[in-house]
Amino acid sequence: GAVVSQHPSWVICKSGTSVKIECRSLDFQATTMFWYRQFPKQSLMLMATSNEGSKATYEQGVEKDKFLINHASLTLSTLTVTSAHPEDSSFYICSAPGGGTEAFFGQGTRLTVV
Amino acid sequence: DAKTTQPPSMDCAEGRAANLPCNHSTISGNEYVYWYRQIHSQGPQYIIHGLKNNETNEMASLIITEDRKSSTLILPHATLRDTAVYYCIVSVYGGSQGNLIFGKGTKLSVKP
Repeated sequence: GAVVSQHPSWVICKSGTSVKIECRSLDFQATTMFWYRQFPKQSLMLMATSNEGSKATYEQGVEKDKFLINHASLTLSTLTVTSAHPEDSSFYICSAPGGGTEAFFGQGTRLTVV
Repeated sequence: DAKTTQPPSMDCAEGRAANLPCNHSTISGNEYVYWYRQIHSQGPQYIIHGLKNNETNEMASLIITEDRKSSTLILPHATLRDTAVYYCIVSVYGGSQGNLIFGKGTKLSVKP
């Protein structure tokens, strides 16, 4: 199946700093990618839809100025958590449609803000 | 998308078949049943999907009732590596054109 690669797998940052997470489609192009967040012992929640060449669309309650999304090419979307705080600590996961009807997910990024 | 109901947890002996049920009584005619799983600290993995016919692939089998109000995912010979949270999702597009709405899933524990 299609491969979606996410980097880094984990990151620890200081409160107030920004962190960038990359999501790449390795063997296919993705005009749309999705960013999810998962808190411990909870299910995945969609944060935003990343659209190549246009602005991302955010789910209700997700601050677009805090979670900056850039989809500059057909194989790369980035999520930047700006001015991170401990409550932003979570597991961030991206996904992309792979050509069929199913979605392919990255391996996730564990963000810890200290 | 319609909602699904799954048991919160199940145990299965290694080597035995794991049968994971899912209720989706409000499923629409154009919605598929998708199954994904999430191994601890990893992203979800697609398993299988179907509309109304039973489906089988190298990972699992999907049995959908005739009225389409419920389904069962079958892992024929569960291994320890199948320990994961399994999500049953009903969706028109399955994530290809829209997001997937994840419920709480079933935590399957495969025991030696």
